[in-house]
Amino acid sequence: DGGITQSPKYLFRKEGQNVTLSCEQNLNHDAMYWYRQDPGQGLRLIYYSQIVNDFQKGDIAEGYSVSREKKESFPLTVTSAQKNPTAFYLCASSAFRVTGIQPQHFGDGTRLSIL
Amino acid sequence: SQQGEEDPQALSIQEGENATMNCSYKTSINNLQWYRQNSGRGLVHLILIRSNEREKHSGRLRVTLDTSKKSSSLLISASRAADTASYFCATDWQREGRGTGANSKLTFGKGITLSVRP
Repeated sequence: DGGITQSPKYLFRKEGQNVTLSCEQNLNHDAMYWYRQDPGQGLRLIYYSQIVNDFQKGDIAEGYSVSREKKESFPLTVTSAQKNPTAFYLCASSAFRVTGIQPQHFGDGTRLSIL
Repeated sequence: SQQGEEDPQALSIQEGENATMNCSYKTSINNLQWYRQNSGRGLVHLILIRSNEREKHSGRLRVTLDTSKKSSSLLISASRAADTASYFCATDWQREGRGTGANSKLTFGKGITLSVRP
């Protein structure tokens, strides 16, 4: 079955440590996205990519980095510069159309906490 | 902010009743989408309505769009306990001087928590 896989489901970060969240999709989608969700809040866009080897900052990119070396993969690194990383991180993908944003397919998230 | 705002923030109804949720936004849009999120899970796309459409149906779901009022409604008819979840509207809003598609992104509201009592 096609879908998006995020791993790990739970992740703990120590002070000064970088951690990487994995996101893989087999939907053949060009566009991929990373969102952060805090309790009782909507989703805030961290980074997005519409094509391999290209990505754009979202609304809250500071303290995060990404890469898009393969169409299927869009890993997110939470760096030590992100001082408040505790949140639920969601990865999504969609087809790319010039007529507007297409429905996004989401993974089941990674919950990141500070030790 | 271009963020959509849902109303009410929380809704509790009895099984079998209809649930109506509203979303307002501030700028012109290409389309508006509704998503559902079960606790601890990712979002699931429910329905997309384009700016030139006024109403769409999908099973027990009915979505309306009023671009003059910059608002949308999601109606879930004959609700079930399994409909208990958070519901989000998301707007693909038009950026001045830009074509659609390029550098496009969705902006999500804070969500509505729906509880359906058995």
